[in-house]
Amino acid sequence: SQQGEEDPQALSIQEGENATMNCSYKTSINNLQWYRQNSGRGLVHLILIRSNEREKHSGRLRVTLDTSKKSSSLLITASRAADTASYFCATEGLAGGFKTIFGAGTRLFVKA
Amino acid sequence: KAGVTQTPRYLIKTRGQQVTLSCSPISGHRSVSWYQQTPGQGLQFLFEYFSETQRNKGNFPGRFSGRQFSNSRSEMNVSTLELGDSALYLCASSLVVDREENYGYTFGSGTRLTVV
Repeated sequence: SQQGEEDPQALSIQEGENATMNCSYKTSINNLQWYRQNSGRGLVHLILIRSNEREKHSGRLRVTLDTSKKSSSLLITASRAADTASYFCATEGLAGGFKTIFGAGTRLFVKA
Repeated sequence: KAGVTQTPRYLIKTRGQQVTLSCSPISGHRSVSWYQQTPGQGLQFLFEYFSETQRNKGNFPGRFSGRQFSNSRSEMNVSTLELGDSALYLCASSLVVDREENYGYTFGSGTRLTVV
């Protein structure tokens, strides 16, 4: 089973709106990462948040991490059509280290 | 600087054959991981190499193997191919400091393998 599970599976919004995606995981982690993938290409690293951090910003991205709930959220503000992609969370666990496990992803569609 | 390079981009093989995929990481990255991506299973972790040593392995059969060379380039081999091995194989490299901390992966564009 997946370590990380994204929610929702798919999201459709209008350009200019905010998009929020959630990720839940099962075991303790070193860090949690978010990636974007366009049309079956390689993934692009967006942001990494460590287990001792609660919030992190990068441009229009805001990531939160709640280790007590084992969950994270990715907020994309003022979305653009170019943000249309699949978004994955990935966790690097404390146990069985040196592997990063990916969730199934959220497909985001931003309508122009 | 150059990104992660995977070759070939596309490959068609017949059941029972074997295949070798190649990955050149970003210069200075010593950690290389491999993932299999299929529509039904998402991204599945295959293995991770650091300084020519396999540090972790996913839940794949022994037909899947890999290695890393002294220049950090990595190869992945799949023997006795099955139809279910058709997938996008992604390689990712990472700058790992002190062998413990991952700064996030840079992915290649992948090799799309089709087994017929």
